[in-house]
Amino acid sequence: AQSVTQLGSHVSVSEGALVLLRCNYSSSVPPYLFWYVQYPNQGLQLLLKYTSAATLVKGINGFEAEFKKSETSFHLTKPSAHMSDAAEYFCAVSDASNTGKLIFGQGTTLQVKP
Amino acid sequence: ETGVTQTPRHLVMGMTNKKSLKCEQHLGHNAMYWYKQSAKKPLELMFVYSLEERVENNSVPSRFSPECPNSSHLFLHLHTLQPEDSALYLCASSQTTHQPQHFGDGTRLSIL
Repeated sequence: AQSVTQLGSHVSVSEGALVLLRCNYSSSVPPYLFWYVQYPNQGLQLLLKYTSAATLVKGINGFEAEFKKSETSFHLTKPSAHMSDAAEYFCAVSDASNTGKLIFGQGTTLQVKP
Repeated sequence: ETGVTQTPRHLVMGMTNKKSLKCEQHLGHNAMYWYKQSAKKPLELMFVYSLEERVENNSVPSRFSPECPNSSHLFLHLHTLQPEDSALYLCASSQTTHQPQHFGDGTRLSIL
């Protein structure tokens, strides 16, 4: 069965600093992996996805993630944080069944300090 | 016009009431989903519909009843809910299952 672990429920960075949000997955089959962002009072917005093509995936708003099979990781990074990046971030793995349901991590709240 | 629209945005109801949540997608997708988002818990998938057929029922209590009359609309009928059902209910759609999902802004449900 698939599972996702996000290390750190809260991450705080200064504006302009590197953002690193950690995600490790468990999957018995090659996974599809996703990062979503949720701003207050809104639904989830897709940041990027990995579907077995390039291991370095570029997403929206300057975010990218690297799939590392040996480490079963899919960490999200951004070189320079903006105040507008403050939100909750969710890593998800797609279930191998026909329904393709998403299994989400607990989420990481990113705080950006001026 | 947003891709996935949920109404109402907020709902307060008593435990004996009956209400429905509505989701409409304008993306031409064939799969639709209901999720429950509670504080300090991961998002929980409730139901999946593909081509208007329910393909996943994730052990959801019968007090939640989904309906998918066509590929653009999804409802969640609620009756005799419990206080622990208070949560944000999110609807999503995707072109097919396994494709990235697009989410609505959710309905914030409070059970008195």
